[in-house]
Amino acid sequence: AQSVSQHNHHVILSEAASLELGCNYSYGGTVNLFWYVQYPGQHLQLLLKYFSGDPLVKGIKGFEAEFIKSKFSFNLRKPSVQWSDTAEYFCAVNVVNRDDKIIFGKGTRLHILP
Amino acid sequence: DTAVSQTPKYLVTQMGNDKSIKCEQNLGHDTMYWYKQDSKKFLKIMFSYNNKELIINETVPNRFSPKSPDKAHLNLHINSLELGDSAVYFCASSLAGTSNEQFFGPGTRLTVL
Repeated sequence: AQSVSQHNHHVILSEAASLELGCNYSYGGTVNLFWYVQYPGQHLQLLLKYFSGDPLVKGIKGFEAEFIKSKFSFNLRKPSVQWSDTAEYFCAVNVVNRDDKIIFGKGTRLHILP
Repeated sequence: DTAVSQTPKYLVTQMGNDKSIKCEQNLGHDTMYWYKQDSKKFLKIMFSYNNKELIINETVPNRFSPKSPDKAHLNLHINSLELGDSAVYFCASSLAGTSNEQFFGPGTRLTVL
């Protein structure tokens, strides 16, 4: 079945550690890719998105993600996390020319220790 | 200057009741969505409307009925509420075409007792 998989359900890091959250999808064809963040008690906000062009995408707050088409992956990275990065992170995929539907992964809860 | 707003923010009600959640966006978008986020934070699309026309209707019980009076509003009416309906419901909007990001509302936390 077509899906979006986030490998880590819960990640705990200390401040200044490097972060990589995995995301794989199983859709064929051209895709648009997103990472959203949900801070505690808040709504989803877009961190970054990939539509075309440079597969290394830079987003807000020092986050970046790399689209590797051959691996169907779109992993999120940050070289040095902060306590304020504690949040839930969602990878999402939209298949181009299908419909407006965006399929979300199940989320990764990131907890940063001060 | 709120972009996507929802009312109410919290809704606590008894089983069997009928309730509505309202959503409005002032971004000039023409597509709006309803998502359900369960207790495990899993986010699943329920409906989407484009220019007041239903585009996506996932396998949602027919107790849930979206209504779009105009392209800036998408309301969600739920009949005969059940315990399993307890969740956070997010409204979102985007501009036509799937290449545009979706902007989310603050969510409505529905608790069915």
